[in-house]
Amino acid sequence: GAGVSQSPSNKVTEKGKDVELRCDPISGHTALYWYRQSLGQGLEFLIYFQGNSAPDKSGLPSDRFSAERTGGSVSTLTIQRTQQEDSAVYLCASSLVGGANTGELFFGEGSRLTVL
Amino acid sequence: KNEVEQSPQNLTAQEGEFITINCSYSVGISALHWLQQHPGGGIVSLFMLSSGKKKHGRLIATINIQEKHSSLHITASHPRDSAVYICAVSSHGGSQGNLIFGKGTKLSVKP
Repeated sequence: GAGVSQSPSNKVTEKGKDVELRCDPISGHTALYWYRQSLGQGLEFLIYFQGNSAPDKSGLPSDRFSAERTGGSVSTLTIQRTQQEDSAVYLCASSLVGGANTGELFFGEGSRLTVL
Repeated sequence: KNEVEQSPQNLTAQEGEFITINCSYSVGISALHWLQQHPGGGIVSLFMLSSGKKKHGRLIATINIQEKHSSLHITASHPRDSAVYICAVSSHGGSQGNLIFGKGTKLSVKP
């Protein structure tokens, strides 16, 4: 696609429910990243994919959070048993690896999660 | 103390003014990013740099690795430049994209 696409753009859920957030990166971008932006914490890194593997999961805040990427393309971030503190905007970004513009980030519009 | 500090937190300018936003960091880095976030929430990458200076239109970014400091300059500012500007660094030994973010500088340019 032309840009990084995220869905849903807005999600309201009840505490304790599971949610899935989807990211479709720019075609050809092998690197994919998830970030979280919350009022109290600002922007923070969650996880990095290179292809289908995740060499850096160090930002995932708890074992309720998991992510996968298939076919070197679409990624899903899953939050199990959501808590109110999970309310935030979840941002996905992708980038090329290798070449002159390696590492330049392209962000999606984000998925706003509200846990009631 | 945060590893990435930005100043000022808030900045109001008149259209046409020259603007400088500063970023200081305390870790060794492999790259520094300047990002722009408009009120709608979308984030755009402005610059990624590891040394020297880059220019794009009215925007200029500089970095001094020895002093662990970067500046973002906007020449001939315009109301459409109003946004939050975020500095972020990827540390040595960290994976690319594992960024440490500053808290942002909110810029408002008045006509």
